[in-house]
Amino acid sequence: RKEVEQDPGPFNVPEGATVAFNCTYSNSASQSFFWYRQDCRKEPKLLMSVYSSGNEDGRFTAQLNRASQYISLLIRDSKLSDSATYLCVVNGGSSGSARQLTFGSGTQLTVLP
Amino acid sequence: DVKVTQSSRYLVKRTGEKVFLECVQDMDHENMFWYRQDPGLGLRLIYFSYDVKMKEKGDIPEGYSVSREKKERFSLILESASTNQTSMYLCASSPTGGYQPQHFGDGTRLSIL
Repeated sequence: RKEVEQDPGPFNVPEGATVAFNCTYSNSASQSFFWYRQDCRKEPKLLMSVYSSGNEDGRFTAQLNRASQYISLLIRDSKLSDSATYLCVVNGGSSGSARQLTFGSGTQLTVLP
Repeated sequence: DVKVTQSSRYLVKRTGEKVFLECVQDMDHENMFWYRQDPGLGLRLIYFSYDVKMKEKGDIPEGYSVSREKKERFSLILESASTNQTSMYLCASSPTGGYQPQHFGDGTRLSIL
């Protein structure tokens, strides 16, 4: 079983749509959670951290369910510029160090005009 | 803004060569990381370091070594390059301790012929 699992997609949605991505993680000791965005042939960039109470940043809302070991990202009013791969990330990994981050394989989103 | 700089965007080497990939960060970050990213496999951690002269194995250290002689610089070494090491290599850094998001360099696309 992968440590961080995401639906690879692709998700193709029209502009203005709301889209949700889900992610599950296997390490119950994980304490920090993030969503990263990666554009084609570019490096991953931090989109937002995910907090236990849920948090919002403009059109983006992240939720965490520790009991189910589940993270979600909701994008409202999708823009063409939101087209990218979204990576679910949790801390911890095979080294046993909290410094290590484990990345999901990513969910590809294409927003269509 | 955090700046993580990788020495080359594109690199072509031959099988059996010793290859050095260099990474420098300018934010006095304690932690530095080397990943490789392959289609369908996502980001996989090769090695990381949390202090000068310290190193920890990640998920796929075989065939690689690292060097951290100065806090701002973290080098990845392919001792004897092989074709299965053709990949995108990404360096990242994060602040002191654990639980922090990582900031990535632009990546080096390495081809081994």
